[in-house]
Amino acid sequence: GQNIDQPTEMTATEGAIVQINCTYQTSGFNGLFWYQQHAGEAPTFLSYNVLDGLEEKGRFSSFLSRSKGYSYLLLKELQMKDSASYLCAVMDSNYQLIWGAGTKLIIKP
Amino acid sequence: EADIYQTPRYLVIGTGKKITLECSQTMGHDKMYWYQQDPGMELHLIHYSYGVNSTEKGDLSSESTVSRIRTEHFPLTLESARPSHTSQYLCASSEGGRHTGELFFGEGSRLTVL
Repeated sequence: GQNIDQPTEMTATEGAIVQINCTYQTSGFNGLFWYQQHAGEAPTFLSYNVLDGLEEKGRFSSFLSRSKGYSYLLLKELQMKDSASYLCAVMDSNYQLIWGAGTKLIIKP
Repeated sequence: EADIYQTPRYLVIGTGKKITLECSQTMGHDKMYWYQQDPGMELHLIHYSYGVNSTEKGDLSSESTVSRIRTEHFPLTLESARPSHTSQYLCASSEGGRHTGELFFGEGSRLTVL
């Protein structure tokens, strides 16, 4: 079967750095996506990786290793507004997105 | 600013009622999707469409139907609602090609079936 694994919950301190990991097993691979979802709101797109390596976008970076079936989202200079769930999703060989259950990130002052 | 709209945002109905959740987007996207999401759980694909007159079922059998008569409009209908249908329903759209996985979501329709 296909599955996406990510930690259920993480806690970090305002101003610090946090890394959210995602491992996947899917039938085929056509890209990995990270989304942010604030409580009670819809997900919003953060990043896309299709080749190995690091993609940087402001305070957020996303890394991919296809051989290891592994990705991480790195958030720097954490702000209170970064408290949200972070969803990892992989596009399979049928170009369908397979979603993880999300990592709830709690930021403490 | 979201260019994809869902109505109603909240709905409470009785068992056996027929309901339609509306979804419209103004971005001209060919691909549209309906997802179901319970709190703290992953998104489950219910239906999707890759263009006008094209609809497919996703991995979650939700006893619902969809139609795609116009590019911008993708309504979801439950013929006979049950308490097990209580959930958040999210509509999304995307461009094709390498942007297929960059979904734009509506604000969601939270359905409660009594």
